[in-house]
Formats: sequence, structure tokens, C-alpha cells
Amino acid sequence: RKEVEQDPGPFNVPEGATVAFNCTYSNSASQSFFWYRQDCRKEPKLLMSVYSSGNEDGRFTAQLNRASQYISLLIRDSKLSDSATYLCVVNKSRRSGGSYIPTFGRGTSLIVHP
Amino acid sequence: DAGVIQSPRHEVTEMGQEVTLRCKPISGHNSLFWYRQTMMRGLELLIYFNNNVPIDDSGMPEDRFSAKMPNASFSTLKIQPSEPRDSAVYFCASRFSRGSETQYFGPGTRLLVL
Repeated sequence: RKEVEQDPGPFNVPEGATVAFNCTYSNSASQSFFWYRQDCRKEPKLLMSVYSSGNEDGRFTAQLNRASQYISLLIRDSKLSDSATYLCVVNKSRRSGGSYIPTFGRGTSLIVHP
Repeated sequence: DAGVIQSPRHEVTEMGQEVTLRCKPISGHNSLFWYRQTMMRGLELLIYFNNNVPIDDSGMPEDRFSAKMPNASFSTLKIQPSEPRDSAVYFCASRFSRGSETQYFGPGTRLLVL
């Protein structure tokens, strides 16, 4: 089983729709979680962190379910500009301590059409 | 503020040639990451440095790949000899390891090995 798994999509939705992505992780010792956005032929950029209590930033809501080992991203009122690939990132601690090691999912492609 | 700087942005070379990719992290960041991204395998962590010291190089494909970080403001990833299967986008990212853990990516180097 891969450490971090995402449905590659593409998710093809009309403007204004609500869309949700999930990301599952296999390492129960994972410490922190993030969603990144990557536009075509660009570098990944942080979209939002994922906190245990869930967090919201405008139209975007991220949640963490430690018991089931997944994180989710909900996008409300989709815009054309939301079209991108959404990558989840799971950080785990090194056995010897120190910095967290990030593992990226393969990403979920979102296409928002008029 | 300047972000992560990578050079060259594009590289086309022939099989067997040496390739050197360069990265300048964000000033003040003490962790640096090298990633490779392909359609088949997604974003893979190759190696990461903390305070200029290589911490985890388990993602480095084989002995043809080597990375150095001689000081806090410069790192190189070298492939010698290069092979067509090395063709990918190589990203460098940096972060402040005791901060928010947010990684900031450079624009990437698109490598094509013929």
C-alpha cells in the first residue's frame, strides 16, 4: 500500500459546484498534514494546513480523520481558477528525531468548466 | 522577497552527459529538499538536508545521483552519467524546520535526456 494515496481524477465539475477530495495515509505516526495546489507546468504551492479540529479558509475546508487515516478538502462554489492539481502532503517524524519527512500524494486533478 | 531560485530552468542533454542542477533556498531556511516529478511516479523526495547536512537520501535512485549543500545558500544535484529515464522536472524546496513546516518550492528544472 502506498504511503499516501489520492484519486487522480480528473474531477470535472461546473462552476459553482461543490467538490470534495480525500487523501488516505498508511502511517499512523504521521504528524502533520497539508494540501498543496499545483497549476499546469508550475511548482506546488501551499493551499492550507490541515488541523485536527478542521480548518476553513474562504471556500476551502480541510479536515483530518486520524481514526480512519484520511484528510479531506472541500471546495465550495467552484471557480474556473480552481482548476489545478491538488496534492496532499503527510509529514512523519524520523525515527531518530529531528525534522519531519514529507510524503506527497500523486495529486487529484480538478477541472472546473463554465 | 526572492523565493527559491533554481537554475537552469530547462536543460536538454544527451545520454551519458553530466547534468548539474542548482538551487538557492530562501534566506533563513534551514531545510532543503530535492524532488523529482514525472507523470508516472508523481512527486518523489530524493534527498533532504537539515542545516546543510544530508539527513535522508533514501529516495536517491542510484549512484548516478549525488547532492551537495556546501553552505546554507546553495545546493546542487548532479546526475552522472545521465540517462533518458532521468527526464523529469526537478524541484528544490526549502523551509524553516522549526517553523510552520511549510515548504516553498522553486520553479523547477525541466530536464530532457535524449
